Amino acid sequence: EPEVTQTPSHQVTQMGQEVILRCVPISNHLYFYWYRQILGQKVEFLVSFYNNEISEKSEIFDDQFSVERPDGSNFTLKIRSTKLEDSAMYFCASSGRTNQPQHFGDGTRLSIL
Amino acid sequence: KNEVEQSPQNLTAQEGEFITINCSYSVGISALHWLQQHPGGGIVSLFMLSSGKKKHGRLIATINIQEKHSSLHITASHPRDSAVYICAVATGNYGGSQGNLIFGKGTKLSVKP
Repeated sequence: EPEVTQTPSHQVTQMGQEVILRCVPISNHLYFYWYRQILGQKVEFLVSFYNNEISEKSEIFDDQFSVERPDGSNFTLKIRSTKLEDSAMYFCASSGRTNQPQHFGDGTRLSIL
Repeated sequence: KNEVEQSPQNLTAQEGEFITINCSYSVGISALHWLQQHPGGGIVSLFMLSSGKKKHGRLIATINIQEKHSSLHITASHPRDSAVYICAVATGNYGGSQGNLIFGKGTKLSVKP
């Protein structure tokens, strides 16, 4: 069965550094999402992406965050200047249509030192 | 006030027991999702529903739109069902992006042999 894959599984970065989290959505999916889960807390929506542009974004997704689909397969989340509070598990998801379930990747654990 | 409330927060059951997890929400929704989060962190979509009832194997999900309530049932529970079960609601227009999911805090289920 097709999967959403995320790399790396764990990223450790110094505060203030830029980090790029990578996702390969399921190949025929059109809608892409990023979520984050701070340890011990609930999952939070960051951004959705369709037709090469952001569809929706949350208050968390400020100017430090950006997303890109640089080619036909990858979907990336960039954090420009990381803060300690960016430490979290980041999940990528994709769906074929809006009325279909989202498929999640296994997540990237981001640790900011 | 949380827009999505789940109960119970923690649930311990004996193998074979019938389990019910509840979800109440306070916003208008286009769809409701039930997700399973494994101890390692990965998230799997179990159901996406906007009305009525869905069944998959030993899992049943129901939703009452008028009462803004959904339940997830597990019949003949098994230790491998041990996980965190998360309710999430999509508030976007059904024809548009459903990415702005609002998540509950999850119900941690432990099934003892």
